[in-house]
Amino acid sequence: AQRVTQPEKLLSVFKGAPVELKCNYSYSGSPELFWYVQYSRQRLQLLLRHISRESIKGFTADLNKGETSFHLKKPFAQEEDSAMYYCALSETSGSRLTFGEGTQLTVNP
Amino acid sequence: DGGITQSPKYLFRKEGQNVTLSCEQNLNHDAMYWYRQDPGQGLRLIYYSQIVNDFQKGDIAEGYSVSREKKESFPLTVTSAQKNPTAFYLCASSPMGGGQPQHFGDGTRLSIL
Repeated sequence: AQRVTQPEKLLSVFKGAPVELKCNYSYSGSPELFWYVQYSRQRLQLLLRHISRESIKGFTADLNKGETSFHLKKPFAQEEDSAMYYCALSETSGSRLTFGEGTQLTVNP
Repeated sequence: DGGITQSPKYLFRKEGQNVTLSCEQNLNHDAMYWYRQDPGQGLRLIYYSQIVNDFQKGDIAEGYSVSREKKESFPLTVTSAQKNPTAFYLCASSPMGGGQPQHFGDGTRLSIL
């Protein structure tokens, strides 16, 4: 069975510092990976997906199949990045997602 | 305006009572999902449906039931058999097929009186 692990429940950085939110997965096939974000008082929304290989709001994430990781990175954190971030995995043939436990990011001024 | 609507926003349940949470979408998505969100545990899948009149159990289906009589609607019933129902419930939908992103509603917070 697939599993997603986010080892940090809480992460605190200062504005302008680099930030990396860790995500590791276990899955026997070829996964589709996502990062979702939930800002305060807003609904959960898609931030980015590995297949798009795009940068959203300055965030990037690279799928490392050797290390089974999909870490989310941003070189210079902003206060508005403070939110709950979830890493999620989908089977290539199905639509259901398996979520990690989430990381609460706080960017301090 | 396309999206997913969950109602009510807050719901209170008495001991031994069944309650039903509503989820409606106008995105024309085939697949719909119910998740339970607890602090420190992320989102856990309760039930999902990929087509009308069909649904599958997720990881924590015990004490819950669903129906999918219409494409746009996927109500969740929290039964009296669910011993710890206090949680935040999220509904989502997506197109069919692997790797499709899911769209989420605002959620329903269920509490026990």
